[in-house]
Amino acid sequence: GAVVSQHPSWVICKSGTSVKIECRSLDFQATTMFWYRQFPKQSLMLMATSNEGSKATYEQGVEKDKFLINHASLTLSTLTVTSAHPEDSSFYICSARAVPGLNTEAFFGQGTRLTVV
Amino acid sequence: RKEVEQDPGPFNVPEGATVAFNCTYSNSASQSFFWYRQDCRKEPKLLMSVYSSGNEDGRFTAQLNRASQYISLLIRDSKLSDSATYLCVVNQAGTALIFGKGTTLSVSS
Repeated sequence: GAVVSQHPSWVICKSGTSVKIECRSLDFQATTMFWYRQFPKQSLMLMATSNEGSKATYEQGVEKDKFLINHASLTLSTLTVTSAHPEDSSFYICSARAVPGLNTEAFFGQGTRLTVV
Repeated sequence: RKEVEQDPGPFNVPEGATVAFNCTYSNSASQSFFWYRQDCRKEPKLLMSVYSSGNEDGRFTAQLNRASQYISLLIRDSKLSDSATYLCVVNQAGTALIFGKGTTLSVSS
């Protein structure tokens, strides 16, 4: 089946530094990818929709200048957490559909566990 | 009101038990529905889609009631390996998947 690869799987960084997370579709092209964040015992919350070749669409309450999204190619989207703070510590996960459509399966990357110290 | 609400759980059941999870969604424009399974510290994986006519996949049965905006998942003959968090998910046209908070199932021997 379709595979979405996310890297790194975990990262620990110092407060104030930036962290880049990559999401790749390995065997399909994805014009749209989605970035989610999940805090412990909470649901996956959509942060933004990444669109190839155009600006990302951010959900209400998500700071676009803090969470920079770049979707430079049909197989790669990156999320950069800038000036990270401890409250940004969370599980970040990307998703894409190999076949566009409402009823098609969405595939997820393995997720990135970010810890800001 | 949250877009997708689920039973809070956790559900602790013995092997062989039948367990049912419920879910309601608030947006009547939702067009497709799924149950995903998430193991601890892992990414969600599709368990099954949910259709208006109801559908079954082995020990798993999903039901959808559009009028009540209600979705259910029934697991029969629970196995230890069924222990996980079950996420109710809805999709509207042109948008990402919207997840419920999840219901945790723990099956014990």
